[in-house]
Amino acid sequence: QKEVEQDPGPLSVPEGAIVSLNCTYSNSAFQYFMWYRQYSRKGPELLMYTYSSGNKEDGRFTAQVDKSSKYISLFIRDSQPSDSATYLCAMSSNAGKSTFGDGTTLTVKP
Amino acid sequence: EAGVAQSPRYKIIEKRQSVAFWCNPISGHATLYWYQQILGQGPKLLIQFQNNGVVDDSQLPKDRFSAERLKGVDSTLKIQPAKLEDSAVYLCASSEGQWAFFGQGTRLTVV
Repeated sequence: QKEVEQDPGPLSVPEGAIVSLNCTYSNSAFQYFMWYRQYSRKGPELLMYTYSSGNKEDGRFTAQVDKSSKYISLFIRDSQPSDSATYLCAMSSNAGKSTFGDGTTLTVKP
Repeated sequence: EAGVAQSPRYKIIEKRQSVAFWCNPISGHATLYWYQQILGQGPKLLIQFQNNGVVDDSQLPKDRFSAERLKGVDSTLKIQPAKLEDSAVYLCASSEGQWAFFGQGTRLTVV
């Protein structure tokens, strides 16, 4: 079993929809939780970063962490075609070394 | 701020040949990573450097892969000899804190 499991997708939604992306994990030592966005033929770029349980909001994006359930989510409100990309969750127990999910590919249709 | 630079962007080689990738991290970043990303999967850590010392190379196939970080700055990753299953994107990343900044990657195709 992988340490990090991510909903595989692909996901296709109409413009303006609310998107929910989810990951579960098994390693209780994970303390830092990240979401990266990866456009086709590009490297991943950090989207959101959280430490400990709770919610963190940044514009149209909300990251949610539930350590008791070992479950994290990323919500995208008012989705735009420019949000079409692969979203990777990542987690680490110390500085930098991250374990990634396999990504969910999102397509937002105009 | 300049990002992580990688070269080449693309490489096609025959199996059993050797190949090398180069990475220049963000200035001042002490930690450097090499990840392998197979199509449809997330990045998998191959090796982590702190300055010019290896912190973690537990997932590096040492019989064919090698990496070094010269003077704690640039890094090279080498594969010799390459296998078909090495076809992937090789991502270099650097960090000074809890998260990493990635380069655009080198797409390797082994035929």
